[in-house]
Amino acid sequence: KQEVTQIPAALSVPEGENLVLNCSFTDSAIYNLQWFRQDPGKGLTSLLLIQSSQREQTSGRLNASLDKSSGRSTLYIAASQPGDSATYLCAVYTSGTYKYIFGTGTRLKVLA
Amino acid sequence: GAVVSQHPSWVICKSGTSVKIECRSLDFQATTMFWYRQFPKQSLMLMATSNEGSKATYEQGVEKDKFLINHASLTLSTLTVTSAHPEDSSFYICSARLAGGRRGTDTQYFGPGTRLTVL
Repeated sequence: KQEVTQIPAALSVPEGENLVLNCSFTDSAIYNLQWFRQDPGKGLTSLLLIQSSQREQTSGRLNASLDKSSGRSTLYIAASQPGDSATYLCAVYTSGTYKYIFGTGTRLKVLA
Repeated sequence: GAVVSQHPSWVICKSGTSVKIECRSLDFQATTMFWYRQFPKQSLMLMATSNEGSKATYEQGVEKDKFLINHASLTLSTLTVTSAHPEDSSFYICSARLAGGRRGTDTQYFGPGTRLTVL
């Protein structure tokens, strides 16, 4: 059974810092891994999707990497801003089940 | 990109009533849709898989008689919370599967969610 864990659970940093959010999963047989952002009381915003054959994806200040063999993904946020404050969720799309399993989330607060 | 909508975006109901939530794929056909539930400050938990033209499959611990799922067409799935109680208050999110033509391109697109409050 796929299990997804995110570390840290919460993070508070001053504006301008570079951040690394971690996601680990137990079953490496995946189609893709997706990082989402969720603002309080809101739905999901897809940030980056990495296919199982890819090693990383970039969008603006965000960079996500995938190491399928070790069951890990990282989301790198460069030059953090207060507007980046939100909960970040990783979700793993497991082969054969066609199900996304979500991680526990990292609550990020960027202080001005 | 592919768009999934949900209706309503929020609903308040009295305890004991039933509430129906719709999930639509707007620009693609989805033979499979999924329903998730999210309690405050928690992650999303998969409730059930909705298959067009057949019965839904439920995750362990989810009451199928309480959460009725109907996937009557390739673009619409509905979740009905029957005899709702305050503990059913939650954020419900659906997703629709876009089957990949090439290996590795299969993915899902998520709706904006429906907030249910049961008084």
